[in-house]
Amino acid sequence: DAKTTQPPSMDCAEGRAANLPCNHSTISGNEYVYWYRQIHSQGPQYIIHGLKNNETNEMASLIITEDRKSSTLILPHATLRDTAVYYCIVRVPYTGGFKTIFGAGTRLFVKA
Amino acid sequence: DVKVTQSSRYLVKRTGEKVFLECVQDMDHENMFWYRQDPGLGLRLIYFSYDVKMKEKGDIPEGYSVSREKKERFSLILESASTNQTSMYLCASSETKSGGYTFGSGTRLTVV
Repeated sequence: DAKTTQPPSMDCAEGRAANLPCNHSTISGNEYVYWYRQIHSQGPQYIIHGLKNNETNEMASLIITEDRKSSTLILPHATLRDTAVYYCIVRVPYTGGFKTIFGAGTRLFVKA
Repeated sequence: DVKVTQSSRYLVKRTGEKVFLECVQDMDHENMFWYRQDPGLGLRLIYFSYDVKMKEKGDIPEGYSVSREKKERFSLILESASTNQTSMYLCASSETKSGGYTFGSGTRLTVV
C-alpha cells in the first residue's frame, strides 16, 4: 500500500503558484520523497525527489517539513500544460531493493 | 536525456495469442520495470529486473513472464492473452535502485 496521502484534486489559476501537499507520516529516516506527474495518455514523468532539505530544479521546488511527515511540491508559475495527475511517493523495501507504489495522486487542473 | 522506448503505442490482440511487449532504454540503466495501469487501480508492478538475466516478480505477475537477455532490453510476455489483460502497459528504467524512474510512453493493449 502507498505510504502517502494526497488530496484527490486541486485547481490553480494559470500563472499562479500551484502548491500540492502530501502526507507521509510513517516515513523512515533514510527514505526519500519522490514526485512524478502523468499527463493524460503518457507515461509518468519524474519531477523531483528529496530527503531532508528543500530541493529545487527547473521544473519545481520540494519543501519537506522538519519532521519529514509531510511535503509540498510547488510549481511556481503554473501553465495549462501542467494540468496532470501528480504522485507523491515514498518507496517501500522490496526484494533486493525498493518498490515504487503509485497511489491515486492529485489531479491538478490549471485554469486560464 | 534517457529515453525509454516501447515498441508499440497501440496493440490489438486476440484471446489466446502470445504477446510480446518490448522496451528498450538507451542509457545503460541497470534497473527496469513493467507496470500496468487501469482506471481506479493506478499503476501496479508486474515484474522488474536489477540486472541482465535477473528478474523478480512484482505484485501481479500471474499470466505474465519477462525476458532480459541484454541490459538495454526488457520484454514483457503474455503467454496466452486474456481480455482481463487489456490495459495500458508502462515500462520504466532507473540508473540506481534509489534513483528516479524514466518511463516510456506506454502501450495500450486491447485483447479481444
